[in-house]
Amino acid sequence: GAVVSQHPSWVICKSGTSVKIECRSLDFQATTMFWYRQFPKQSLMLMATSNEGSKATYEQGVEKDKFLINHASLTLSTLTVTSAHPEDSSFYICSAHRDPYGYTFGSGTRLTVV
Amino acid sequence: DAKTTQPPSMDCAEGRAANLPCNHSTISGNEYVYWYRQIHSQGPQYIIHGLKNNETNEMASLIITEDRKSSTLILPHATLRDTAVYYCIVRVGITAGNKLTFGGGTRVLVKP
Repeated sequence: GAVVSQHPSWVICKSGTSVKIECRSLDFQATTMFWYRQFPKQSLMLMATSNEGSKATYEQGVEKDKFLINHASLTLSTLTVTSAHPEDSSFYICSAHRDPYGYTFGSGTRLTVV
Repeated sequence: DAKTTQPPSMDCAEGRAANLPCNHSTISGNEYVYWYRQIHSQGPQYIIHGLKNNETNEMASLIITEDRKSSTLILPHATLRDTAVYYCIVRVGITAGNKLTFGGGTRVLVKP
């Protein structure tokens, strides 16, 4: 079946630094990739949608200058959290989509900003 | 986006069928219903999806009412490993970005 690899699975960074999270579709070329954020005991919140070679579309309330999304190829998207603060600590999850493979999610990245 | 309504939590007995309801009364004619589940601290796992016909796969069955305003996910023989949060999602069409927008989900606890 379709597999999406997300790295790292967890990361701890200092306040003010930037962190990059990678999302790769391993056995299919994704038409679209999505990035979600999830706080403890809450549902997944969609942050942005990205298509290969074009700018990401951000959901209302998500700061595009803080959460930089690069979608350089049909198999790779990256999310960079810039100038991280403790309130950015969360579980970040990517999803790759292509019909007929559907929507396949990565295993998530737990970010802790100290 | 079509919204979904699910009960926040549900207990079920191991070995019995688990029936998870979902209301999506504002669904449009070309919007699919998807079900995913999330086990603690993992990415969501695909279960099943459908448009108007009932669907079955190795994991579950999906029953969609004729008016498409609600659906039920059936886990035929629940096991302890089925304990998870189950999300019913209506997928918006391509003009709205083909997004999956998660609601609150149902926290299912399978008990021995």
